[in-house]
Formats: sequence, structure tokens, C-alpha cells
Amino acid sequence: DVKVTQSSRYLVKRTGEKVFLECVQDMDHENMFWYRQDPGLGLRLIYFSYDVKMKEKGDIPEGYSVSREKKERFSLILESASTNQTSMYLCASRTGDYGYTFGSGTRLTVV
Amino acid sequence: AQSVTQPDIHITVSEGASLELRCNYSYGATPYLFWYVQSPGQGLQLLLKYFSGDTLVQGIKGFEAEFKRSQSSFNLRKPSVHWSDAAEYFCAVAFNTNAGKSTFGDGTTLTVKP
Repeated sequence: DVKVTQSSRYLVKRTGEKVFLECVQDMDHENMFWYRQDPGLGLRLIYFSYDVKMKEKGDIPEGYSVSREKKERFSLILESASTNQTSMYLCASRTGDYGYTFGSGTRLTVV
Repeated sequence: AQSVTQPDIHITVSEGASLELRCNYSYGATPYLFWYVQSPGQGLQLLLKYFSGDTLVQGIKGFEAEFKRSQSSFNLRKPSVHWSDAAEYFCAVAFNTNAGKSTFGDGTTLTVKP
């Protein structure tokens, strides 16, 4: 089975800090995604990547950037964390049949 | 506007009762369709998917879903709910563009009464 690993389950960061959220998949998938999940708002796409060094903005990219230097790793970067970025962050890797495999999520709190 | 709608925010059923969760989409073409389940504090797990062919698809954990083109719907069903099915359920759509990115509905929370 494909495994998607998010390095942290819980993070607490201070306002203004630069935050890195890491995601690693083990099945050589080309396509990877970052979503944030908030109560009542469902899952919203932040960024996605369809190959190494290739990235596209999703629906809510403001305040975020991403890095894909290796195929297996897709990092989400909060350039200057703010309290409105407190959320659950979900990474996913796409299989050939378009279904996602998700990581367990990182719950980020910005104080 | 293009969208995925799950009309029910919260559903409560008794253990052993049948379940149907609704999903409607609004797109010009028929998308690929998915249902995911999320247990508290966890990521999402794929339950089943529809691409083409037989409109009744079977998934894991005893779930099935029926695609109805005329109603733009993809409803999830289970004949007999177990307490362990309590979770949040998401419908999602994707197309063969933009890396196959998925758009998700807002989710339906299922509570199971003993």
C-alpha cells in the first residue's frame, strides 16, 4: 500500500515564524497535493505538484509556498505564520486512478 | 458555479439501520467521483470511486454508491451501519486535468446511536 507520511502530527508555532510542513510518499507518484481543513469549510486546495520542481497554485495559495526537490517529498512552507493559518493540514498523493492517499494530517496552531 | 454539494451536514442513525449520504455535483461534464471517510484526528481514506461503466460501485467496509447521471448525484449507502462507521464522510470529484486534483464537498458527519 502507498504510504504518505507527514512528519508532525501536532505543531505549535509563534506568529511570524517560518514553518515547514513535510510530506513524503513511498510509491513514486508524480502528483502531490496540500489541503487545509477547517470546520464548516471542508478541504481547500493550497498547492499541488505534478512533477519534481513543478507546482501549481490551488484555491487558497496566499501566505504559502511549496517545494518539490525530490519526487517523494512535497513541503508546504508558511512564510510568516499568522493565527488565521491555524488549521489541519493534509497532504495527499494521487494514484493512477485519481484516488488520493492521504497522510494523517498535521494540526498546526499559531499563537 | 462548479461545485460539489453534500446537503446533509450531520446525520444520526441507529446501529443496524441503513444509511444513505447524499452528494450532488454541478459540472458541465461527468467527473470522476469518489467517497472518502475520515475518523477523528486522522487523514481521509478512500472508500470507493466511479469512473465509468456500472453505475453501482462497491467499496471497502461494506459501502456502495450509485451514480445517477440524470440527477448529477453519487449517493453513498450502507445496508446496516456499525458503531465504528461513525466518522465524517466526504464526496469528491476530479477531472483528467490539473494533475487530477480533487474538489471536495464540505462533508457529512455521521453519528451512530447504540
